[in-house]
Amino acid sequence: DSGVTQTPKHLITATGQRVTLRCSPRSGDLSVYWYQQSLDQGLQFLIQYYNGEERAKGNILERFSAQQFPDLHSELNLSSLELGDSALYFCASSAGPSYEQYFGPGTRLTVT
Amino acid sequence: AQSVTQLGSHVSVSEGALVLLRCNYSSSVPPYLFWYVQYPNQGLQLLLKYTSAATLVKGINGFEAEFKKSETSFHLTKPSAHMSDAAEYFCAVFDFGNEKLTFGTGTRLTIIP
Repeated sequence: DSGVTQTPKHLITATGQRVTLRCSPRSGDLSVYWYQQSLDQGLQFLIQYYNGEERAKGNILERFSAQQFPDLHSELNLSSLELGDSALYFCASSAGPSYEQYFGPGTRLTVT
Repeated sequence: AQSVTQLGSHVSVSEGALVLLRCNYSSSVPPYLFWYVQYPNQGLQLLLKYTSAATLVKGINGFEAEFKKSETSFHLTKPSAHMSDAAEYFCAVFDFGNEKLTFGTGTRLTIIP
């Protein structure tokens, strides 16, 4: 158990819909990261927050957004969902940007 | 930008044999390097990390990796494979420029009984 929690574990929704994925970092960690893992794209970094502020951006689509709240939990919002958005979404946390990251168990999103 | 290349998307070894998973990095500055393991339907778990200290790094589950600057490599090894080692392994490098962790494409390790 990494100490990072993610909810929900599974999510099935239809194209065009909007979903919110939630992540609680390890106690004391200030950085939160979001990743997307799919068979064709591999593990892709989406976005990083540090203590509530956006710190780095990766291959995140404009339809996707995220935020980190004062209690340090984070949410990833995916809107106008397409079939290609079906993937595993991981959250990770670390003490700071250059420290090792600890991953949550992931949310499996299926868009039908 | 920093990057890593994992040679071999699939590796099969017999139980009890040496495990060698290859990772080469590209970095203009001394890198921070990591190996992660992902078991089926689970998140990634940190195996070990190199952050400019000892070049031979020991991790969990009997794995170790050696940082070789001259070869720009950070290969993962385990002397004797166990059935429970079957998983996907990812090498990663921390990019200080954009503060992101860049992962390799992964190597799926199969253990033959």
